[in-house]
Amino acid sequence: GQNIDQPTEMTATEGAIVQINCTYQTSGFNGLFWYQQHAGEAPTFLSYNVLDGLEEKGRFSSFLSRSKGYSYLLLKELQMKDSASYLCAVRDSNYQLIWGAGTKLIIKP
Amino acid sequence: DADVTQTPRNRITKTGKRIMLECSQTKGHDRMYWYRQDPGLGLRLIYYSFDVKDINKGEISDGYSVSRQAQAKFSLSLESAIPNQTALYFCATSDLGQDSGEQFFGPGTRLTVL
Repeated sequence: GQNIDQPTEMTATEGAIVQINCTYQTSGFNGLFWYQQHAGEAPTFLSYNVLDGLEEKGRFSSFLSRSKGYSYLLLKELQMKDSASYLCAVRDSNYQLIWGAGTKLIIKP
Repeated sequence: DADVTQTPRNRITKTGKRIMLECSQTKGHDRMYWYRQDPGLGLRLIYYSFDVKDINKGEISDGYSVSRQAQAKFSLSLESAIPNQTALYFCATSDLGQDSGEQFFGPGTRLTVL
């Protein structure tokens, strides 16, 4: 079967750095996505990785290792507005997105 | 102005009722999707459409049907609603020509079936 695993919840301090991990087992791989979702709102796109390595975009970076079936999202200089759920999704061989359950990130002052 | 809109935003209905959720987009995207989201679970794909004449079942299509009335409109119907269809429903779109194929989501419809 297809499976995306990510921690259910994480807590971090304002101004700090946090890394959210995602491991996957899917039938085929055509890219990995990270989305941010605030409570009760729509998911919004953060990053896309299709090749191994690190993609940096401002305070957010995403890393991919296809051989390990592993990705992480790194958030730097945390702000209170970063409190949200972070969703990992993999596009499989049918070009459909398989979604993890999301990691709820709580930021404390 | 929102690029992807969904109506209604909230709906409470009773078991056995027919419900239609509507989605419209002004992004000019060919591809449209319907997902449901339940607490503790990832988004699950119900149906998707790559153009007006193309409709495909997703992971959990039983109990649902869809209609792609135009490139910009994609409706989801629950023919006879049941309580376990209580969930947050999202419509999404994507652009065939974009490398990443990222999906853009509507604001969601919160459906409660009593």
